[in-house]
Amino acid sequence: DAGVTQSPTHLIKTRGQQVTLRCSPKSGHDTVSWYQQALGQGPQFIFQYYEEEERQRGNFPDRFSGHQFPNYSSELNVNALLLGDSALYLCASSSWDREGWSGYTFGSGTRLTVV
Amino acid sequence: AQSVTQLGSHVSVSEGALVLLRCNYSSSVPPYLFWYVQYPNQGLQLLLKYTSAATLVKGINGFEAEFKKSETSFHLTKPSAHMSDAAEYFCAATSGTYKYIFGTGTRLKVLA
Repeated sequence: DAGVTQSPTHLIKTRGQQVTLRCSPKSGHDTVSWYQQALGQGPQFIFQYYEEEERQRGNFPDRFSGHQFPNYSSELNVNALLLGDSALYLCASSSWDREGWSGYTFGSGTRLTVV
Repeated sequence: AQSVTQLGSHVSVSEGALVLLRCNYSSSVPPYLFWYVQYPNQGLQLLLKYTSAATLVKGINGFEAEFKKSETSFHLTKPSAHMSDAAEYFCAATSGTYKYIFGTGTRLKVLA
């Protein structure tokens, strides 16, 4: 049973560029959330997607946007990259089932470095 | 507003000694609480979760945590540390399914 898959694993971009990160949720999960983890910090909630719509958003600027596809996979887009966007980006999937809420399953993350 | 505080950004224990990692939360509603472990350059692995059932929660790798509402705490313990336990540990809380609030993490070092 595949867990959460993220691609790419590492990425180096230049300030001002745009980047797209991808996530495939765990089989059976229909909700995808994105988190940013700066070096030495805990993850910070960016947003969550369910039924192809953004359900809730954290305290991140509009440069951060996302999308969810009919197969539940998701993309995170960041425009006009800043040095401060350098971080590990984590995708987490979840769902409701007969036992209630599954809780998050996290992927291994994409390490983004902005130079 | 919900918040999670982890006391001690770095904790060192000897191999075989008790592991105690502290987590306090603030919430206006009873939360769901979690402990995750993160190894270098990896994602987060769930150790255990509290979802308002038993207050003493047992997780993987011999870890357990006790929910104490009166102290708003959810401390993580393991009776005997192993070298493989060296990692960063995060406590997280949510009062719904939308977002977790994470603590800043505790880096556990296990001394031989």
